[in-house]
Amino acid sequence: AQKVTQAQTEISVVEKEDVTLDCVYETRDTTYYLFWYKQPPSGELVFLIRRNSFDEQNEISGRYSWNFQKSTSSFNFTITASQVVDSAVYFCAYDSGTYKYIFGTGTRLKVLA
Amino acid sequence: EPEVTQTPSHQVTQMGQEVILRCVPISNHLYFYWYRQILGQKVEFLVSFYNNEISEKSEIFDDQFSVERPDGSNFTLKIRSTKLEDSAMYFCASTPALAGEQYFGPGTRLTVT
Repeated sequence: AQKVTQAQTEISVVEKEDVTLDCVYETRDTTYYLFWYKQPPSGELVFLIRRNSFDEQNEISGRYSWNFQKSTSSFNFTITASQVVDSAVYFCAYDSGTYKYIFGTGTRLKVLA
Repeated sequence: EPEVTQTPSHQVTQMGQEVILRCVPISNHLYFYWYRQILGQKVEFLVSFYNNEISEKSEIFDDQFSVERPDGSNFTLKIRSTKLEDSAMYFCASTPALAGEQYFGPGTRLTVT
């Protein structure tokens, strides 16, 4: 069965520090999709990125970047020069194209001013 | 920008009562989902719905739960006889394509007393 592990329960950084959130997945599927979502204190789930298993290119969007490595089954997320507004719970999710996401347990990021 | 809406934002009910949580997915989306998040925990898949029938359901989605798309716009989750452990945030999501990005609603916080 597929599984998503986010081993970091909580991370605290000081504003302007870089921080990397880890996501490791287990699967035997050859085709699958990986996602990151942000859940700010207000509670909604905000989509950040989608990656398919055939595309290992790293992606950068402003201060956010994602490193997808199939060899280590990891899909890590880095925030550069963190800001207080980045404080949230971040979830990694897996989808094998069957009708559901499998979420990791989330990493709570606290960015201190 | 189109968004998924959910009503009510907060529902308080007594144990044993029936509740209906309502969602309006994005209009051209074809796949609909319900997830739940017990406070402080990960987001868990409940059920997916496509072409007016359940596509997949989790072991959480037992006979107490049902879903319906009563018209062209609403998507509902009914819990027939609520239990204390049903207290959670319930998220509705929709997507235009399988394995696509799921758009989540703001959630309904259900409190069972």
